[in-house]
Amino acid sequence: DSGVTQTPKHLITATGQRVTLRCSPRSGDLSVYWYQQSLDQGLQFLIQYYNGEERAKGNILERFSAQQFPDLHSELNLSSLELGDSALYFCASSVNGLPYNEQFFGPGTRLTVL
Amino acid sequence: TQLLEQSPQFLSIQEGENLTVYCNSSSVFSSLQWYRQEPGEGPVLLVTVVTGGEVKKLKRLTFQFGDARKDSSLHITAAQPGDTGLYLCAGASDSWGKFQFGAGTQVVVTP
Repeated sequence: DSGVTQTPKHLITATGQRVTLRCSPRSGDLSVYWYQQSLDQGLQFLIQYYNGEERAKGNILERFSAQQFPDLHSELNLSSLELGDSALYFCASSVNGLPYNEQFFGPGTRLTVL
Repeated sequence: TQLLEQSPQFLSIQEGENLTVYCNSSSVFSSLQWYRQEPGEGPVLLVTVVTGGEVKKLKRLTFQFGDARKDSSLHITAAQPGDTGLYLCAGASDSWGKFQFGAGTQVVVTP
């Protein structure tokens, strides 16, 4: 158990819908990362937050947005869903978000878009 | 866009054999990490290397960071079935932890 929690574990929805994925970082960690993992794309970095502020952006679509709240939990919002958005979405946390810090990954949310 | 290329994509060996996984890029990284991921779970960090030429050992696993900080290798000695998993390398190139992951090497160790 990494100490990072993600809900829900599984999510099945239809094209065009909007979903929210939630992540609670390890106690004491200030930085949260979101990743998408699919069979054809591998693990793709989406976005990073540190203490409530966006710090780095990766391959995140405009239909996707995220935020980190004052209590440090984070949400990833996916809208106008397409079949290709079906993937595992991981949240990770680290102490202060610097490159040499260990990232602790949550168990992931498996999103299926039908 | 920086690309981290991992090779081979898939490796199947017998228990007791040695194996090496490679991670290469044309870009310089400030740090590089190796993770192992098992089915249905998130990746788990094995090691972080930050200095060019650095070698780190973790029991039967040996990690090396290239002198130019563009490549890395993971060597497993006397592999065991418990070493089975997807091995991922991840590089960070700026002051914040914006990581680029390789596609991974699936390692299967059979008894």
